[in-house]
Amino acid sequence: KAGVTQTPRYLIKTRGQQVTLSCSPISGHRSVSWYQQTPGQGLQFLFEYFSETQRNKGNFPGRFSGRQFSNSRSEMNVSTLELGDSALYLCASSRTGGVTNEKLFFGSGTQLSVL
Amino acid sequence: AQRVTQPEKLLSVFKGAPVELKCNYSYSGSPELFWYVQYSRQRLQLLLRHISRESIKGFTADLNKGETSFHLKKPFAQEEDSAMYYCALSGGGNQFYFGTGTSLTVIP
Repeated sequence: KAGVTQTPRYLIKTRGQQVTLSCSPISGHRSVSWYQQTPGQGLQFLFEYFSETQRNKGNFPGRFSGRQFSNSRSEMNVSTLELGDSALYLCASSRTGGVTNEKLFFGSGTQLSVL
Repeated sequence: AQRVTQPEKLLSVFKGAPVELKCNYSYSGSPELFWYVQYSRQRLQLLLRHISRESIKGFTADLNKGETSFHLKKPFAQEEDSAMYYCALSGGGNQFYFGTGTSLTVIP
């Protein structure tokens, strides 16, 4: 079974631009979560999607948005990029996301650099 | 507010020595706690979860609600245990709160 796939692996953007990241979950997984990882803050929860609906949202500004498609693939968009948005963005999938103690499967991440 | 604290950014131990990675949490409800690990050039992956009361690769972790802790322990560290370890708290559904991680180095 293929793992969680994130594209692209690396991105370089300039301030003010927007960016879209993509995540394909493991086949059969319906929940997709996004995390921002930085050296100082560790992993911070952005949002979670299940059946094309955003179910949970972290404390990030509205510039960060996402969506999920009917095939469970998810995209994350960041508009009006700021230098502080430079980070590794991780996607994680799980079967349903509604069962407690469910295991998350992580992708390799997209490294975003904002210049 | 939910929070996970890992007080040690870096931890070094000698091979064969016991190791303990500390994790403290703050949560108003009944916590669900996990340890995730990231080995060099690999993806972040689940190591263990408190509800399973399991031992994985010789690691165990006990939830202490009185001390609000979920420390990860192994009696005899191995070189292959060198990795980044993250403690995580589930706030319901799939919203996880992660600590900032502890980088463990096992010295041969």
